[in-house]
Amino acid sequence: NAGVTQTPKFQVLKTGQSMTLQCAQDMNHEYMSWYRQDPGMGLRLIHYSVGAGITDQGEVPNGYNVSRSTTEDFPLRLLSAAPSQTSVYFCASSYGQFGGGGEQFFGPGTRLTVL
Amino acid sequence: GENVEQHPSTLSVQEGDSAVIKCTYSDSASNYFPWYKQELGKRPQLIIDIRSNVGEKKDQRIAVTLNKTAKHFSLHITETQPEDSAVYFCAAQGGGADGLTFGKGTHLIIQP
Repeated sequence: NAGVTQTPKFQVLKTGQSMTLQCAQDMNHEYMSWYRQDPGMGLRLIHYSVGAGITDQGEVPNGYNVSRSTTEDFPLRLLSAAPSQTSVYFCASSYGQFGGGGEQFFGPGTRLTVL
Repeated sequence: GENVEQHPSTLSVQEGDSAVIKCTYSDSASNYFPWYKQELGKRPQLIIDIRSNVGEKKDQRIAVTLNKTAKHFSLHITETQPEDSAVYFCAAQGGGADGLTFGKGTHLIIQP
């Protein structure tokens, strides 16, 4: 099992550009989520999904879109990048449908810089 | 929503001594409390977790205690070793689907 994978590892964008951060898991987990990590702020939830076709907003959803067309994939789209979106982005998944099922497995992260 | 406070932000201990990190949470409905360790440039990894129907859990040198009445939980690391140096995050999750709420992290430094 590859676990949770993310691409790209690093990305530099200019203000106003759009892009998609990819996340995939091969553990047949129902629950997937996106977090951003900023220095001194811990990890903050952006969006989450409890299964294919179902997504919802977390603590900091503005400027981001998600979709969940398959169990395996959960891409995060930045619509119009802003310097405030410079961060490290982590995707995570867990087997519990409602996230409380147990351990969340994190991907390796994507380091995004917006100039 | 849930709010998790974590203290201290930095903790320096001598190798071999014990380290304690404390967290409080606000939502009495929260029922799952994991602790993650993150080394520099790496992903967070679960080291121990506890559910609200348990007061204490231990795994070798690591233990977690939970006080539901006071809404706080703590991580205890005994006989600290250099490889314990990292940032540790506590988190809380309620009964719904709204993911983990993390504390801001504790940078644990093990002095030789």
